Amino acid sequence: KAGVTQTPRYLIKTRGQQVTLSCSPISGHRSVSWYQQTPGQGLQFLFEYFSETQRNKGNFPGRFSGRQFSNSRSEMNVSTLELGDSALYLCASSLAAGARSEQYFGPGTRLTVT
Amino acid sequence: ELKVEQNPLFLSMQEGKNYTIYCNYSTTSDRLYWYRQDPGKSLESLFVLLSNGAVKQEGRLMASLDTKARLSTLHITAAVHDLSATYFCAVVVGTPLVFGKGTRLSVIA
Repeated sequence: KAGVTQTPRYLIKTRGQQVTLSCSPISGHRSVSWYQQTPGQGLQFLFEYFSETQRNKGNFPGRFSGRQFSNSRSEMNVSTLELGDSALYLCASSLAAGARSEQYFGPGTRLTVT
Repeated sequence: ELKVEQNPLFLSMQEGKNYTIYCNYSTTSDRLYWYRQDPGKSLESLFVLLSNGAVKQEGRLMASLDTKARLSTLHITAAVHDLSATYFCAVVVGTPLVFGKGTRLSVIA
């Protein structure tokens, strides 16, 4: 069974630009969560989507947004990029909503903002 | 607010030695995950601990959960170089997962 896929794997953007990252969950999984990983802050939760609805959002500014499509694929968007947005962005899929359902992580998108 | 503390944050071990990584958390939870991350790679699930007293073993790694003490341990037996990685615990209290800062393990000859 195919795992979680994320595209693109690497991205370089300039401050002020916007970026869209994509995540395709494991087939049959309806929940997608996004995390940001940085050396300073570690792994931080961004948001969770289940059945096209955002169920939870972490403590990030409104520049970070996301959505989920009917096929469970998810995208996250970051507008007006800042240097501090440079990070590894991980998405995780699970069968059910909430962290009690085991999450499987994708390979991540490495975003560099210059 | 749930806080998850791992220690040590850095660990340099000699091959063949044993060591334990600790994961303490501040709020009652009955579910905890351990993940491994290699440099530049994603998170690989190692163990899911579902109840008090749960113990799971895979190869040279053994994880346990004490929900009363709010403590999980990851014990490494007879370390080998292939175990060099960063290990994260993640605690479930509702949503979402809350991760520790990670323990960077380096196994040296």
